[in-house]
This record gives sequence, C-alpha cells and structure tokens, in this order.
Amino acid sequence: EPEVTQTPSHQVTQMGQEVILRCVPISNHLYFYWYRQILGQKVEFLVSFYNNEISEKSEIFDDQFSVERPDGSNFTLKIRSTKLEDSAMYFCASRKHRTDGPEQYFGPGTRLTVT
Amino acid sequence: GESVGLHLPTLSVQEGDNSIINCAYSNSASDYFIWYKQESGKGPQFIIDIRSNMDKRQGQRVTVLLNKTVKHLSLQIAATQPGDSAVYFCAENPGTGFQKLVFGTGTRLLVSP
Repeated sequence: EPEVTQTPSHQVTQMGQEVILRCVPISNHLYFYWYRQILGQKVEFLVSFYNNEISEKSEIFDDQFSVERPDGSNFTLKIRSTKLEDSAMYFCASRKHRTDGPEQYFGPGTRLTVT
Repeated sequence: GESVGLHLPTLSVQEGDNSIINCAYSNSASDYFIWYKQESGKGPQFIIDIRSNMDKRQGQRVTVLLNKTVKHLSLQIAATQPGDSAVYFCAENPGTGFQKLVFGTGTRLLVSP
C-alpha cells in the first residue's frame, strides 16, 4: 500500500541553523500539507500546497518557513533560522483529489530537536 | 472560531470491552470529521470519517457518531484489543477550500489484557 515517507526521522540542529525536512507524498496525490506536533500537544496545521503554490498557511508559518516541491516527488519544508521553540515532530501529509474525499494520509514524521 | 477538544485525556479499558472516545467541536461550519489513531513514534493513521450530513458511520469494529445539535463527535471501538492502545485524535475540516484539518488534543486509550 502506498505511503507517505519522510526523512530524516530525527534531526538535531543548533539554534539559528537552517534545516530542510523532506517528504515524498503518495504519488497520485495532489494536495500536500505540513503539520507539527510539539511533544504532548495536539497536531497543528502549518501549510497546504497545491498546484505548486501555497494555498493556505497558519500563523505559525512565518517568514522563517518555506515549502517547495523541487521535482515531481519531493515536498520539502525549510526553516531558515531555527529557534528552540521549533523543536517538535513535523508531519507531512497528502491527499488525492478534492472529489476523492478530504482524508489526509500522514507520514511517520521527523523529530526536530533544536539545541 | 476553530476549536476541537477532548473531554478525557486517558481512557483505560480491559481487553474485550467496548471503548468510547469523545470529542467536542465548536465550528458549526465544519463539514467533515475524521478520527485518527497515533501510535508511539508514528504519524496519525486514518481510522474513519464522517460528513456533516450524516449521524453515524460504521467501519470494521469502529463506529463514529455525530451530534451536530451539541457539536459532539464520538468514536466507539468494539471488542477493544491491546493493539488499539494509542492516542486518538478527532479532526475537523472547517470548510475552507483546501481542507486543512484542525485537530483536537487527543485521548490516550490504554487496553489491558
């Protein structure tokens, strides 16, 4: 069964450094998302991406964040200058087409630790 | 506003019992609700969904009930098994165009053999 994959599984970085989190969505999906989950808290929406552009973003997704789909398979989240409070699990999700139902399929996540 | 919350942070049951996990939501414009299961170290896994024009939907061992009058959602798991132990989140789609999901705070289900 197709699944969303994410790399790395764990990323440790120093405050102020740039990180890129990578995702490979399910191949025939058209909508892509990033969410984050601070330890012990709920999953929070960051950004949605469709047709090679951001379609919606949350207040969390400030100028330090960017997303990109550099080729036909990868979807990346970049944090330009990490802060301690960026430490969290980051989940990528994808969805098929609007008419196929809005359920989103999540990857296993990348644990980001900022020291 | 957009707010989804859960009444019980932890639910402990015996294997074979039926489990009920509850969720309250506040956005009456939400048109779609999903239950996700999250096991330790993994991403949320889709369990079952329900649209706002339905009251009940059944899957394999799971049933979701939607009460729009009181903005309440529940997940019923029949004959709970140790493998059901996980954190369960309800999520709502608040009706925006690209279907972002707003998640609740989660309920931990602990199943004892």
